[in-house]
Amino acid sequence: EVQLLESGGGLVQPGGSLRLSCAASGFTFSSYAMSWVRQAPGKGLEWVSVISGRGGSTYYADSVKGRFTISRDSSKNTLYLQMNSLRAEDTASYYCAKSSSIFGVVPSYGMDVWGQGTTVTVSS
Amino acid sequence: DIQMTQSPSSLSASVGDRVTITCRASQSITTYLNWYQQKPGKAPKLLIFAASSLQSGVPSRFSGSGSGTDFTLTISSLQPEDFATYYCQQTYSIPPKFGQGTKVEIK
Repeated sequence: EVQLLESGGGLVQPGGSLRLSCAASGFTFSSYAMSWVRQAPGKGLEWVSVISGRGGSTYYADSVKGRFTISRDSSKNTLYLQMNSLRAEDTASYYCAKSSSIFGVVPSYGMDVWGQGTTVTVSS
Repeated sequence: DIQMTQSPSSLSASVGDRVTITCRASQSITTYLNWYQQKPGKAPKLLIFAASSLQSGVPSRFSGSGSGTDFTLTISSLQPEDFATYYCQQTYSIPPKFGQGTKVEIK
């Protein structure tokens, strides 16, 4: 079964750091670009970042550029999101998602597998 | 960045109704448009990719159409399990932004 399982969320003070993890199983992890998408409480979906299958290409939303870093470890089938200089507006549920196509870094044909989400709360 | 605008933001409908949701891109995205369904407390689910292709396992009452800047998601006969929020997403270019969502509620 294809599955993604996020972890690492929690309560952090403004200016603090957190690292999210997403453990993948059931598919050839290194063949697919992977994304992080977040959703603030009661709000819509916001794409955060994407990394290519082999990790050589990464892109970020302007709202997190310079503060967040996406990475992956194919030996562990795990995707990461290192979040630094956290702000109140980063409070959200964070989902990892798999591109449905093996081609390219942009998830051209959508994201077909999603994790259950992990919650990040930035508050003093 | 390409902006995505959905309409309406919410709608009320009855079981059996035909429902149409519209998504407009700020510039042409050819057919790089996907639709997702999200239920409260759950992750989004891919319904339609490439504007009109039905994702495996998705009921045939869901369909998508459009190209360029204007797209439509249609539910031909609304079922109780279809009450949810629907999002479009452009994947023509980075950042692959989502629309603001359309909440489909029970009438």
